[in-house]
Amino acid sequence: EAQVTQNPRYLITVTGKKLTVTCSQNMNHEYMSWYRQDPGLGLRQIYYSMNVEVTDKGDVPEGYKVSRKEKRNFPLILESPSPNQTSLYFCASRGRFSDEAFFGQGTRLTVV
Amino acid sequence: SQQGEEDPQALSIQEGENATMNCSYKTSINNLQWYRQNSGRGLVHLILIRSNEREKHSGRLRVTLDTSKKSSSLLITASRAADTASYFCATDGEMYQGGKLIFGQGTELSVKP
Repeated sequence: EAQVTQNPRYLITVTGKKLTVTCSQNMNHEYMSWYRQDPGLGLRQIYYSMNVEVTDKGDVPEGYKVSRKEKRNFPLILESPSPNQTSLYFCASRGRFSDEAFFGQGTRLTVV
Repeated sequence: SQQGEEDPQALSIQEGENATMNCSYKTSINNLQWYRQNSGRGLVHLILIRSNEREKHSGRLRVTLDTSKKSSSLLITASRAADTASYFCATDGEMYQGGKLIFGQGTELSVKP
């Protein structure tokens, strides 16, 4: 089954404690992205990757890092989380020649 | 950045009725997609309409596109309680941004049994 898997689904952490949200896709997609969803602001792209070892900033990259060492995995790293990073996060993948994006189930992060 | 607006922001109907949601966008597009999101969960692709198409059907879904008005509508016919969800239109960002999609704010649909 084609899917994007994110973990964890829920996470409560404290300010400044480094965390990683994992994302894995099984469709051999070249493109992967991270979005955050906030009330009134909609979905905004944080970072994206066009292939292995190719990553770049999206619209709201501050406070986040990513890596793409393997085609299937695209983890999101918060080196020093702050309360304004409390949000619902989605990983998405998309084939290079495809229009449809596949989304993970989301990670609800709370930073206290 | 948000591509446009969706209208209405919230819609409440009875089972069996039709639901119509509208989406406006700002720039020229290659295609427009509609996604569905059940409460707090991931988005699921529903239907895509290309810029040279005016109408497309998929089951109980009908999408129209008016490129002159930069608008699209999604019609769900004979709605069911299970259709309760948020619906988003999405257009392509610049392709060099890793297949970025630009989403509208969404319409929250509630279908009452």
